[in-house]
Amino acid sequence: GENVEQHPSTLSVQEGDSAVIKCTYSDSASNYFPWYKQELGKRPQLIIDIRSNVGEKKDQRIAVTLNKTAKHFSLHITETQPEDSAVYFCAVPQEGSARQLTFGSGTQLTVLP
Amino acid sequence: NAGVTQTPKFQVLKTGQSMTLQCAQDMNHNSMYWYRQDPGMGLRLIYYSASEGTTDKGEVPNGYNVSRLNKREFSLRLESAAPSQTSVYFCASSLWTGQGQPQHFGDGTRLSIL
Repeated sequence: GENVEQHPSTLSVQEGDSAVIKCTYSDSASNYFPWYKQELGKRPQLIIDIRSNVGEKKDQRIAVTLNKTAKHFSLHITETQPEDSAVYFCAVPQEGSARQLTFGSGTQLTVLP
Repeated sequence: NAGVTQTPKFQVLKTGQSMTLQCAQDMNHNSMYWYRQDPGMGLRLIYYSASEGTTDKGEVPNGYNVSRLNKREFSLRLESAAPSQTSVYFCASSLWTGQGQPQHFGDGTRLSIL
C-alpha cells in the first residue's frame, strides 16, 4: 500500500513567522494531495488540496507545493497566527484504490505569541 | 445542511459489550468511511463503502463490522468490545467522480472500553 511520511512531528514558530510541513509518498501514480487541519478535540477539516497537473496552489496565507519527480509535497503557512495552532495531516490516495486516503502521522504546529 | 452527523458523541462500554456507531450524511455523497484515531496518531481506515451496497476492509478491520444501510447511512459495529478499541472514531464521506476528492468528517465518537 501507499507509504506516507510526514515531517516534522512537532513544529513551534513565533507568531508572524512561516511554517513548512513536508510529506513524501511512494506511489508515483498518486494524483491528489489534500491537507487537513485538526484543532484539539475537533474533526479534521480540509484546508487545501492540489492535483498532480499543477505544481503550486495558494489560498490566502496557505499554499501547497508539489514535486512529482521527487514524490513530495509541502504545506506552507505564512504570517502565522495563534489560531493556526493545530495538528496538520497530509494524505495521499491509496495505491490501487484511489477512493481511499492514507494519512500522514500528523504535525503538531504551535504558534507562540 | 448538517454535513456528516455521528451518534453518539461519547460512549463508555465494558469489555465484551457490543454497540453500533451511527453515521449519516446529507451531501448526496456516494463514498463513506470509518476511521479510528488514537492519541498522537493519524487516522487509520477501518472500513469504507465505495457506493451503496458495497463495503471493503481498510487497514484495521479486525473486531469491526459495517453496514451501508442506504446512500446516507453507514454504521460501524463492535460485536465484543475490547480495551484496544478505545479510540476516537470518525466517519467521513466523499463524492467519487473518478479522481481524488476531499473527504468530509463528522465530529467523532469518543469511545472508552473498560
